[in-house]
Amino acid sequence: DAKTTQPNSMESNEEEPVHLPCNHSTISGTDYIHWYRQLPSQGPEYVIHGLTSNVNNRMASLAIAEDRKSSTLILHRATLRDAAVYYCILRASTFNAGGTSYGKLTFGQGTILTVHP
Amino acid sequence: GAGVSQSPSNKVTEKGKDVELRCDPISGHTALYWYRQSLGQGLEFLIYFQGNSAPDKSGLPSDRFSAERTGGSVSTLTIQRTQQEDSAVYLCASSGGLAEDIQYFGAGTRLSVL
Repeated sequence: DAKTTQPNSMESNEEEPVHLPCNHSTISGTDYIHWYRQLPSQGPEYVIHGLTSNVNNRMASLAIAEDRKSSTLILHRATLRDAAVYYCILRASTFNAGGTSYGKLTFGQGTILTVHP
Repeated sequence: GAGVSQSPSNKVTEKGKDVELRCDPISGHTALYWYRQSLGQGLEFLIYFQGNSAPDKSGLPSDRFSAERTGGSVSTLTIQRTQQEDSAVYLCASSGGLAEDIQYFGAGTRLSVL
């Protein structure tokens, strides 16, 4: 799997926007960009994913660079509950006669987000 | 159930004993994954099931580790002759249905080997 690079840690204040960067210069054309987060003492939680276009959902927005070599996860108004480790993951999909399979997620070290009240 | 369920939530065992960890995936999910997270380490993949077969076992660290899945549902991860380095949180995830590319994780089983 192609490698991603994220800052070890970031800090934010409550109710302010947070921009979490991810570099993935070796991304291939079939790699989707996925973001998961892990709150303390919980399993990881899906946040958002995209291929080429920017994506929005109820949790966050994903901005993907035109060359796809970097992306940014945007939390529009951070809350204390958003304090977590955020993982940027590249995920290839495999197409075969049985359909599409996605296989494992390869987690890096992620970015520890601290949110201050 | 509504989410992925893992049991037990905590397991303390003595070195050399065998342990079984259980995962109940989201109903209807065909894919099931096991990961583990050691203290201070990232999440590492162990094994992936599609239905009852395991096309990717590449992450199992040794032959002391095995897993099975029956009826396309429940999965059991077995660790034989546990060692202290097996202490970790073991996480299960499932995917399927309309959002097959999204994995839903359980809360994990914290294994402590004394």
